[in-house]
Amino acid sequence: SQQGEEDPQALSIQEGENATMNCSYKTSINNLQWYRQNSGRGLVHLILIRSNEREKHSGRLRVTLDTSKKSSSLLITASRAADTASYFCATDQGYGNKLVFGAGTILRVKS
Amino acid sequence: GAVVSQHPSWVICKSGTSVKIECRSLDFQATTMFWYRQFPKQSLMLMATSNEGSKATYEQGVEKDKFLINHASLTLSTLTVTSAHPEDSSFYICSALNLAGADTQYFGPGTRLTVL
Repeated sequence: SQQGEEDPQALSIQEGENATMNCSYKTSINNLQWYRQNSGRGLVHLILIRSNEREKHSGRLRVTLDTSKKSSSLLITASRAADTASYFCATDQGYGNKLVFGAGTILRVKS
Repeated sequence: GAVVSQHPSWVICKSGTSVKIECRSLDFQATTMFWYRQFPKQSLMLMATSNEGSKATYEQGVEKDKFLINHASLTLSTLTVTSAHPEDSSFYICSALNLAGADTQYFGPGTRLTVL
């Protein structure tokens, strides 16, 4: 299976600014999920958006999904230094709940 | 809820030895667990799908005889890296699917393996 692509690879912003990360994938999907990983740690599930959904919100997170373009975006509003982490999208392509991860975006929020 | 643990959190071993990593779902039952490998500054790559009571399913390019997986109960899966070599040094992460049917995988904290 091919990994998806994410851009930017790295993003550095000031605290309070919004951060937008994009994810593209190549095949049809059941759902797309976003995860956060702090350095050297496990993954934290952020949000899941199903293929029939276009937008989803959770706190300061907003995720969009465009299945026609095979892309998704994650917006973090009013960023905080604690949001500094790597963010990965992962697609469930319908093969036994297996996930294919994107390359990830390293976000650094400067205080 | 939905906590997954891994043990050990890190391990250093000599080349040629075998290392066992445990993945436990602490507060739910999981018929399916997944094992991933993550090299530095890279993304997660799925190695295998671990199914309770049956053989694991390995992804293309992953040697099943080198990475032995056992899923003997609904809360425990183990990954044994046999005859480890320095190129096996990596961050190994497991995840578990809740038997209740949610689509969300719950990830363990990972195990850092360093082979000298």
